[in-house]
Amino acid sequence: NAGVMQNPRHLVRRRGQEARLRCSPMKGHSHVYWYRQLPEEGLKFMVYLQKENIIDESGMPKERFSAEFPKEGPSILRIQQVVRGDSAAYFCASKGFEGLAGTDTQYFGPGTRLTVL
Amino acid sequence: DAKTTQPNSMESNEEEPVHLPCNHSTISGTDYIHWYRQLPSQGPEYVIHGLTSNVNNRMASLAIAEDRKSSTLILHRATLRDAAVYYCILRDTTSGTYKYIFGTGTRLKVLA
Repeated sequence: NAGVMQNPRHLVRRRGQEARLRCSPMKGHSHVYWYRQLPEEGLKFMVYLQKENIIDESGMPKERFSAEFPKEGPSILRIQQVVRGDSAAYFCASKGFEGLAGTDTQYFGPGTRLTVL
Repeated sequence: DAKTTQPNSMESNEEEPVHLPCNHSTISGTDYIHWYRQLPSQGPEYVIHGLTSNVNNRMASLAIAEDRKSSTLILHRATLRDAAVYYCILRDTTSGTYKYIFGTGTRLKVLA
């Protein structure tokens, strides 16, 4: 069973360009979380999606950032008009539905390291 | 704000046991305690989780205090490959999304 996959692993963009980060969850998982990690810091929640629905985007910056998880295909985190402050590692995690008594254990991908020049 | 408190760093000698502490005094009655570790340039890796009882798996043991306000991750014999940042995580149980709230973790250094 393949784990969570993210691509690209490294992405370099110039200021003002767009960045698209992809996440394929584990087989059978329909819940995806995106987190951002700045150097020497812990991960910070950005957005939580289920198939075709954004459930919680309270951690997303109000402008330039968007996320989707279509019925078919990977989840996409999109950053428009990137700025240097967007440079970070972006991780996605997936989980299956374990019901009310479940532990909601999340499984993380290897991350995409975005560098904005 | 992080819901857990961990020491910034710890050191251990190779082949010796390591006890990594975590305080989570605001834990709710139904919340699980998850532990992950992050090796350099990798995503967080699941280690173990528990609710009330002590837990064991092939990677580690988790000892949970009776009042659940603290827990300890135990690596029985540290190896150089165990050098990583270890995160003790609670979920956000207020919003219904159960997103993880990461602290700054404990950076474990293993000495040969």
